[in-house]
Amino acid sequence: AQSVAQPEDQVNVAEGNPLTVKCTYSVSGNPYLFWYVQYPNRGLQFLLKYITGDNLVKGSYGFEAEFNKSQTSFHLKKPSALVSDSALYFCAVRATLPSGAGSYQLTFGKGTKLSVIP
Amino acid sequence: GAGVSQSPRYKVAKRGQDVALRCDPISGHVSLFWYQQALGQGPEFLTYFQNEAQLDKSGLPSDRFFAERPEGSVSTLKIQRTQQEDSAVYLCASSLVGSSGRGQETQYFGPGTRLLVL
Repeated sequence: AQSVAQPEDQVNVAEGNPLTVKCTYSVSGNPYLFWYVQYPNRGLQFLLKYITGDNLVKGSYGFEAEFNKSQTSFHLKKPSALVSDSALYFCAVRATLPSGAGSYQLTFGKGTKLSVIP
Repeated sequence: GAGVSQSPRYKVAKRGQDVALRCDPISGHVSLFWYQQALGQGPEFLTYFQNEAQLDKSGLPSDRFFAERPEGSVSTLKIQRTQQEDSAVYLCASSLVGSSGRGQETQYFGPGTRLLVL
């Protein structure tokens, strides 16, 4: 079974400071890893993904994430936070191969609420 | 271009009523997923279609939940005899194809349908 842990329910950071949102995962085989952002009353917006290759992945709005296989982590980072980055962030994992039922389902963490303080 | 659309955006049902939630995936997307997001939680997988074939329904919580995608495009999630515990946001996502090819793994989400069962 695959799982994702986001150990922080909430992260507060001052505008202009770097931010990190943590994610660890468990999956059989090589993982596909994703970050999504959710604004109030909106669906999930795709930010970035790791499939293979370079461990540092760059995505939308200046976000990046680093894949660390030994620590089974995929932390989301941004060098300088904006107030508009305040939202709910979800990490998700998918197995490389489909499950026995043939599904490519994503398994999500519980989410981390990011608040950027002006 | 048009993203994933869902309707209705909000639905209030009395306990015991049947409801139908609609999802229009991105044109040409082969794979379609339904997820359920309870308040304060991450989305949880319900079911998966590849074209019109429902390949995985392991996440459906009971036999009151039924999904279909008869022509391989629009999908409907039906909940019969709704219960209060069915109150949640129901998210639909689509992806280009369910293979492991690069660039085809990303699931794009709709805005969701918020269901409240009284």
